[in-house]
Amino acid sequence: GAVVSQHPSWVICKSGTSVKIECRSLDFQATTMFWYRQFPKQSLMLMATSNEGSKATYEQGVEKDKFLINHASLTLSTLTVTSAHPEDSSFYICSARDSGFLTDTQYFGPGTRLTVL
Amino acid sequence: GESVGLHLPTLSVQEGDNSIINCAYSNSASDYFIWYKQESGKGPQFIIDIRSNMDKRQGQRVTVLLNKTVKHLSLQIAATQPGDSAVYFCAEISESTSYGKLTFGQGTILTVHP
Repeated sequence: GAVVSQHPSWVICKSGTSVKIECRSLDFQATTMFWYRQFPKQSLMLMATSNEGSKATYEQGVEKDKFLINHASLTLSTLTVTSAHPEDSSFYICSARDSGFLTDTQYFGPGTRLTVL
Repeated sequence: GESVGLHLPTLSVQEGDNSIINCAYSNSASDYFIWYKQESGKGPQFIIDIRSNMDKRQGQRVTVLLNKTVKHLSLQIAATQPGDSAVYFCAEISESTSYGKLTFGQGTILTVHP
């Protein structure tokens, strides 16, 4: 199957700093990528839908000024957590949609563990 | 919106037994369903999918059953192995939803004892 990578796999930062997480589709082009947040023992919560070349669509309750999303190319989307605080500590997962003539599947990245001190 | 569970249901089975994991969905317009497996500290991994025009689909050791009447989905794992231990999520998509947005279910923790 298709591969989606995330970088970094984990990051520890101080409160008030910004952190950028990259999501790449390695062997296919993804016009649409999704960003999720997952707290321990909970399901994945969709934060936003990232579309190449246009503004991201955020889910209700997600602050667009705090979670900046950029989808500059068909293989890369970035999520920047601005002015991070301890409550932003979570597991952030991206997925990339591979939609072609015979397929329409989302592939997930391995996740990024963010810890804000 | 998304489904969030503070206490995921759990299922414990012995190695070699068959496992059945259930999922209820609420959107009658959903027409594509996927089961994902998530191991600790990793992203979800695609297991099997099914479209709403089917009621059963089989893969290698896994079978997905869809009952649209009661909006219920199940994943059956045959001859469960310790490596199957993980959290299993069902997810649904409505084709009318832009960009194929997934809605995840609560998840079930499967523990396989040797």
